[in-house]
Amino acid sequence: AQSVAQPEDQVNVAEGNPLTVKCTYSVSGNPYLFWYVQYPNRGLQFLLKYITGDNLVKGSYGFEAEFNKSQTSFHLKKPSALVSDSALYFCAVRGEGGSYIPTFGRGTSLIVHP
Amino acid sequence: DAGVTQSPTHLIKTRGQQVTLRCSPKSGHDTVSWYQQALGQGPQFIFQYYEEEERQRGNFPDRFSGHQFPNYSSELNVNALLLGDSALYLCASSLAGGNSYNEQFFGPGTRLTVL
Repeated sequence: AQSVAQPEDQVNVAEGNPLTVKCTYSVSGNPYLFWYVQYPNRGLQFLLKYITGDNLVKGSYGFEAEFNKSQTSFHLKKPSALVSDSALYFCAVRGEGGSYIPTFGRGTSLIVHP
Repeated sequence: DAGVTQSPTHLIKTRGQQVTLRCSPKSGHDTVSWYQQALGQGPQFIFQYYEEEERQRGNFPDRFSGHQFPNYSSELNVNALLLGDSALYLCASSLAGGNSYNEQFFGPGTRLTVL
């Protein structure tokens, strides 16, 4: 069975500082990995995905994520946080073949302080 | 492009009642998935529709059913509502048969409250 862990319920960072939101996964075969962001009373918005290729993936709004196969991790990063980045972030994984069912993590609340 | 739209925005029902939620996918998308997001949790996959058929289903009881129409829009029906069905219901659409590596585009959700 596939699973996703987001070990931090909340991440606090000062505006202008780098941010990291952690995600580890478990899946059979090669993973397809995704990050989504959810603002209050809104649906999820796609940020970036890893399918294959370069381990560093660049996405929307200056976010990037690093795929690490040996550590089964896909941490979300941004060099300089903005107050407007404050939101709920979800990591998701799908297996390479067969199942279309994605598994989402519980989410990490990112709070960027002015 | 209107993106994924859902209706209604909010809904209040009582236990035992039935509810129908509606979703229109992003233009050009042929696959619709439904998720339940309880407070403080990540989205849980209910089922996915492609070519008007349920292609895959998550761990939800038969009280949850759906339909996809020829224009790719979709409905989620929940019968015999329970208090535990209170949640945000999200619809997501994707392209090209919903291949595993295609990202999904989510609607704003329908907030269902069961009293």
